[in-house]
Formats: sequence, structure tokens, C-alpha cells
Amino acid sequence: KQEVTQIPAALSVPEGENLVLNCSFTDSAIYNLQWFRQDPGKGLTSLLLIQSSQREQTSGRLNASLDKSSGRSTLYIAASQPGDSATYLCAVILREYGNKLVFGAGTILRVKS
Amino acid sequence: GAVVSQHPSRVICKSGTSVKIECRSLDFQATTMFWYRQFPKKSLMLMATSNEGSKATYEQGVEKDKFLINHASLTLSTLTVTSAHPEDSSFYICSARDPMNTEAFFGQGTRLTVV
Repeated sequence: KQEVTQIPAALSVPEGENLVLNCSFTDSAIYNLQWFRQDPGKGLTSLLLIQSSQREQTSGRLNASLDKSSGRSTLYIAASQPGDSATYLCAVILREYGNKLVFGAGTILRVKS
Repeated sequence: GAVVSQHPSRVICKSGTSVKIECRSLDFQATTMFWYRQFPKKSLMLMATSNEGSKATYEQGVEKDKFLINHASLTLSTLTVTSAHPEDSSFYICSARDPMNTEAFFGQGTRLTVV
């Protein structure tokens, strides 16, 4: 059974700091991996999708890496801003079951101004 | 990116009544949609996979008679919470997958409160 773990559970940093969020998964036979952002009481916003054949994806100040063999992904946020405060979720996409997503519990990020 | 619209965003209903939540993919056809439930400060729990033109696939422990799913078209799936009870109060989120690249897009979520 695929399990996804995110560390840390919560993180508080001063504005401008670079930070790394970690995601690990138990079964390396994933199809793809996706990072999301969730604001309180809202749905999920897709940040980055990494295909299983890729090692990283970048979008603006965000960079996500994927190491399938070790079962790890990281989300790097450069020059953090208060507007980055949210919960960040990673999910692995399984080829079976119609590309089902298995989520981690998330990292709650707070960027202090 | 693709847009998934979920409606309503908030609903309050009385115990014993039924509530329908709609999930629409606005700019792509989704043969598969997913329904999740999220408890406070917890991650998303997959409830069921909705398949266009066929029966939904429910996760273990999810009552199919309680949570009715209909996926009548390639752009619309509905979740009906039947005979709602206060313990059904939760945040429900739908998701649709872009068939071109497997990227999943989520609706805005529905906050259901049963009183």
C-alpha cells in the first residue's frame, strides 16, 4: 500500500528565506507526482506536476525535484513571501485505478513579515 | 490551467435531508472524477472514483448508499449526501484529471454543515 509522508508538518520562517518541503513515498512505482497549495477553507491549487521520467520542474520561485528510486520529492521555495503562507500537499499519482492520487498530510507554512 | 468548478461552496442543511454537490470540468472532458473528504487539519481522503457512464468505485469504508455519485456526462459529476447527519459535516472536494497529461485539478470545495 502506497503511503506518503510530508516533513515537516509545520514550518514558520521569516520573509525572504529560502525553504525546502519534503515528501517521501513508500512505493517507487508511481506514475507522476504533483504538488498542491491549499489556502484555509479552499480547494487545491496545482503548483507543479512532475512526470515519472523527469527529475525536476520549475515555476517561478518554485522548484520541485523527484527521485523515484529513493522515494523522495522536495519542493523548494525561493525568497519566501507572506503570501506563500498556506498548506502544501504532495500527492503521488498511481497508474492503476484511473490515476488515483495518494496524498501526504501536508506541511503548514507560515511566512512572517 | 484547466478549471474545475464545484457548487455550492457552502451549504447548511437539516438532519435527515439530502444535499447534492456538483463538480464540473469547464474546459476539458473528464472520463474520471474523484471525490474527497477533508477533516479539519487533515489531508484529503479519497471517497470514490466517478466514472462517466458507469458505476462509481468506492473506497473501503465509504457507504455507497449514503454517498450517491452520478457521472452522467463527460463534464459533470454529482455527489449526493443522503439522509445527512451531523457527522457528515465536512469539507468535500472534487477533482478531475486532464486526460492529456494526468494533471489533477480540484474544485473549490464544499463546506457542508448538517444541523
